[in-house]
Amino acid sequence: KNEVEQSPQNLTAQEGEFITINCSYSVGISALHWLQQHPGGGIVSLFMLSSGKKKHGRLIATINIQEKHSSLHITASHPRDSAVYICAVGSARQLTFGSGTQLTVLP
Amino acid sequence: DAGVIQSPRHEVTEMGQEVTLRCKPISGHNSLFWYRQTMMRGLELLIYFNNNVPIDDSGMPEDRFSAKMPNASFSTLKIQPSEPRDSAVYFCASSLDRSGQPFFGQGTRLTVV
Repeated sequence: KNEVEQSPQNLTAQEGEFITINCSYSVGISALHWLQQHPGGGIVSLFMLSSGKKKHGRLIATINIQEKHSSLHITASHPRDSAVYICAVGSARQLTFGSGTQLTVLP
Repeated sequence: DAGVIQSPRHEVTEMGQEVTLRCKPISGHNSLFWYRQTMMRGLELLIYFNNNVPIDDSGMPEDRFSAKMPNASFSTLKIQPSEPRDSAVYFCASSLDRSGQPFFGQGTRLTVV
């Protein structure tokens, strides 16, 4: 069983929809990271969180340490949000990565 | 700050050739990481440096791979000799410290034919 599980693996949404991507992990963690990777592009670190909630623009990340679960929400989704979103747990020197969620937002 | 800068962005080389990937971390960051991304295995940590010193190279696949960080603003990942199975995207990342949020470069897409 993978230590970090993401769902869904693929997600297609219409522009403007509210999107949720989930991440569950089975190990104790110091932090959880959400990363964004565009096709053929680099990786952007969106959030690092160890408790509660963080917000940046239309992106919101939450984490429930007791339930070992995190969610990434995108409000008012836009085609430019189309990317792979990766959940990773641990510190930068020992990150365990999820397999990613491919998000496609249609105009 | 320009962020983490990697070069080249793309590299195509023949099997057996030496390949050198380069990385300039964000100024002031004292931890640097090299990752490899493949379809089969996803993202994997190869090696990380703290204050220019290699701390954990257990992810380096074999002796053909080596990494150096001669100073705080430059690191290299070398593959000699390269093999087709080394084809992947190699990412460099840096963070303020070993526990901090990593900032990734654009990656180097390596193709070994």
